[in-house]
Amino acid sequence: GQNIDQPTEMTATEGAIVQINCTYQTSGFNGLFWYQQHAGEAPTFLSYNVLDGLEEKGRFSSFLSRSKGYSYLLLKELQMKDSASYLCAVRNSGYALNFGKGTSLLVTP
Amino acid sequence: EAGVTQFPSHSVIEKGQTVTLRCDPISGHDNLYWYRRVMGKEIKFLLHFVKESKQDESGMPNNRFLAERTGGTYSTLKVQPAELEDSGVYFCASSPTGTVYEQYFGPGTRLTVT
Repeated sequence: GQNIDQPTEMTATEGAIVQINCTYQTSGFNGLFWYQQHAGEAPTFLSYNVLDGLEEKGRFSSFLSRSKGYSYLLLKELQMKDSASYLCAVRNSGYALNFGKGTSLLVTP
Repeated sequence: EAGVTQFPSHSVIEKGQTVTLRCDPISGHDNLYWYRRVMGKEIKFLLHFVKESKQDESGMPNNRFLAERTGGTYSTLKVQPAELEDSGVYFCASSPTGTVYEQYFGPGTRLTVT
């Protein structure tokens, strides 16, 4: 089975940095994904990690440690529009994504 | 380029009725996926098409759910008969052949069974 854990809610201030953690225990591993989802909208792809280390893409970075079953998403220079749900997902074998419940991030002025 | 579209955006039906959800993937995407999110739970995989063939249907909850993708373009997901626990948001996603990661999601269909 799979177990993907991430915090339910986080709050951060505009302009600050926030780190959203994700831990996973899965029967196989073929990549970890982060998606952003605004209320009522489609989840949108943010990042993909399959090897250990940090992937940077603009204000967003994602880190993976396969030995620890751990990832984080780092958001820098937070903006109000970053208020959303952030979904951690693991791909085992095949193409199916296994999602965590998501972290609801609130950015305050 | 148009994204993944889903129809309807909302559907309210009574227990025992039938509902058909439609997904139009991004043009040219051979891979099409169905997921659903039940209230308070995580998004869960239902099945995966490659063109018109079911590649993986391990997530389909029971035989009340029937997915089709005739012609390898759009897909439908029929629930018959619907039960209360089928309420949730049904997402469709697509990806092109050879893509190892990104799946493009649609906005979902919110299904309410009363």
